[in-house]
Amino acid sequence: DAGVTQSPTHLIKTRGQQVTLRCSPKSGHDTVSWYQQALGQGPQFIFQYYEEEERQRGNFPDRFSGHQFPNYSSELNVNALLLGDSALYLCASSSEIGNQPQHFGDGTRLSIL
Amino acid sequence: AQKITQTQPGMFVQEKEAVTLDCTYDTSDQSYGLFWYKQPSSGEMIFLIYQGSYDEQNATEGRYSLNFQKARKSANLVISASQLGDSAMYFCAMREPDYGGSQGNLIFGKGTKLSVKP
Repeated sequence: DAGVTQSPTHLIKTRGQQVTLRCSPKSGHDTVSWYQQALGQGPQFIFQYYEEEERQRGNFPDRFSGHQFPNYSSELNVNALLLGDSALYLCASSSEIGNQPQHFGDGTRLSIL
Repeated sequence: AQKITQTQPGMFVQEKEAVTLDCTYDTSDQSYGLFWYKQPSSGEMIFLIYQGSYDEQNATEGRYSLNFQKARKSANLVISASQLGDSAMYFCAMREPDYGGSQGNLIFGKGTKLSVKP
């Protein structure tokens, strides 16, 4: 039973570029959430997708956008990258049925030069 | 206002001893859930234990137990019989509201780094 998988593992970009991160949820899960974790901090909620729509959003600018596909996988897009976007980006999946915890992937470590 | 507070940036414990990691929270909701996650240096967040605000008994999962004191708004994690593999960052998180069918987002504390000494 595959858990949450994220790609790529590491990524290096320069300021102003755009990036797309990918996430496949755990089997049986239909909800995907994205978090940003800066060095030495706890994860911060970016947004959540359910039924291919953004259901909730944290305090992040419009440069952060996402998408969920019919197979429940998801993408996180960040435009006009800033140095401050350097972080570990975590994807978490969960099931809409029942009161279950979110399961996280290993994350994508994004470095902005 | 900070919703999850973890006051211990770092903790040391001797192998095979028990350790308590502190967590206090702030909410005006009656329905909320409290979680503990472990994050090794690899980065993955590993779910450890969950406590619902309406649960009357403290949650337990193997060597992990959650000391839930609702009136004090605290949800401390107790790890018994510490192992070297327990060395990691530990995060307390809250989900509000917390009812079946709703997958609200998690609010995390800043974490506690636990080091287990042989």
